[in-house]
Amino acid sequence: QVQLVQSGAEVKKPGASVKVSCKASGYTFTSYYMHWVRQAPGQGLEWMGIINPSGGNTIYAQKLQGRVTMTRDTSTSTVYMELSSLRSEDTAVYYCARGVGAFYFIPDYWGQGTLVTVSS
Amino acid sequence: QTVVTQEPSFSVSPGGTVTLTCGLSSGSVSTSYYPSWYQQTPGQAPRTLIYRTNTRSSGVPDRFSGSTLGNKAALTITGAQAEDESDYYCMLYMGSGISVFGGGTKLTVL
Repeated sequence: QVQLVQSGAEVKKPGASVKVSCKASGYTFTSYYMHWVRQAPGQGLEWMGIINPSGGNTIYAQKLQGRVTMTRDTSTSTVYMELSSLRSEDTAVYYCARGVGAFYFIPDYWGQGTLVTVSS
Repeated sequence: QTVVTQEPSFSVSPGGTVTLTCGLSSGSVSTSYYPSWYQQTPGQAPRTLIYRTNTRSSGVPDRFSGSTLGNKAALTITGAQAEDESDYYCMLYMGSGISVFGGGTKLTVL
């Protein structure tokens, strides 16, 4: 069965960077795109970007361009999301979610989420 | 910048039918936006309900259905149950690999 297991909670200071991992299992890792979505406390879902684990190519939300980097390690079936220059508004639960086959731009299976807290 | 719009809140009686909508601040939602719908209860990860307008994700009960309604996408729950009380989000595909979520609808079943 498809499983996405994310890394644990992080506490970071403003200006620092955070790197969240998402380890995939139960399917062919390189055959499905991976999304990253975040949710600030009490707020809605925000689409952050997507990575193709096969070629490593990425597309990011315009709002996060320049601060977000998504990468993958095919040897461990893991995708990573790194966010730099953190500010308090980046405090959120970060989710990875696998795309739906040919409709890669639609997330289907979701990870459990990783809470990132940015506080001085 | 295009904004995806949803009703902030809605209520339905147990056993009743409710339709939530997903629109655009400018323009109409068509199937070309591949509307999808997600359910989220507090403290849980989202669950994908519907994608490509009307395709149910694996394991989703058939009381959930998707469609387009006028110039919007719609999620209909027929025979609402207590456990359907959740936040519901729509997402639209804007092209070039970019997707945008709506602000979400808080559904109360009472």
